[in-house]
Amino acid sequence: GAGVSQSPRYKVTKRGQDVALRCDPISGHVSLYWYRQALGQGPEFLTYFNYEAQQDKSGLPNDRFSAERPEGSISTLTIQRTEQRDSAMYRCASSLAAGGETQYFGPGTRLLVL
Amino acid sequence: QQPVQSPQAVILREGEDAVINCSSSKALYSVHWYRQKHGEAPVFLMILLKGGEQKGHDKISASFNEKKQQSSLYLTASQLSYSGTYFCGTEPSSSNTGKLIFGQGTTLQVKP
Repeated sequence: GAGVSQSPRYKVTKRGQDVALRCDPISGHVSLYWYRQALGQGPEFLTYFNYEAQQDKSGLPNDRFSAERPEGSISTLTIQRTEQRDSAMYRCASSLAAGGETQYFGPGTRLLVL
Repeated sequence: QQPVQSPQAVILREGEDAVINCSSSKALYSVHWYRQKHGEAPVFLMILLKGGEQKGHDKISASFNEKKQQSSLYLTASQLSYSGTYFCGTEPSSSNTGKLIFGQGTTLQVKP
């Protein structure tokens, strides 16, 4: 079946602009996770959802970052007033349930802030 | 809080074996292993749960020592396709939410 998809795959923006990154999880997966991955590093947790409820947002760097999953399926990660330090690969993963379940990663969105 | 992986890098000849270790300072509920090739998404290999349950590929084996908060991934008779960066992701016992904390990665290169 279809895996996790993310769009756009690449996003170039100017400092100060807002960006919205989309994640479409595997159908039927309850839990959805957002990670950020710097080059050569492991993924870094940002936030996660069970259905539409945001359960943990402790990894969001500051209040310019927000995420939603209004209908319990597609999720959007929004970064307001982007800064150059926000440049990274943003990855989404989904799993059947939270806790002890396999997380399947999407291809990621490469964000470059000029 | 980030788990520590060792070694940082390994170079093997095809057919040789390797062990990659992951050590955490926190009590763990589960350990997840992924392999990532350059420019691609991490691919799931194995999940080891507290209590001994494992889920993963038949050709991959791993261990999880709950008392020591350590896990090891065993790669036997390595193939060229095993090349990549291996990450362990740890889920603290206090969490049980699927929130994973990843190690810094172990780069494996398999040569013909």
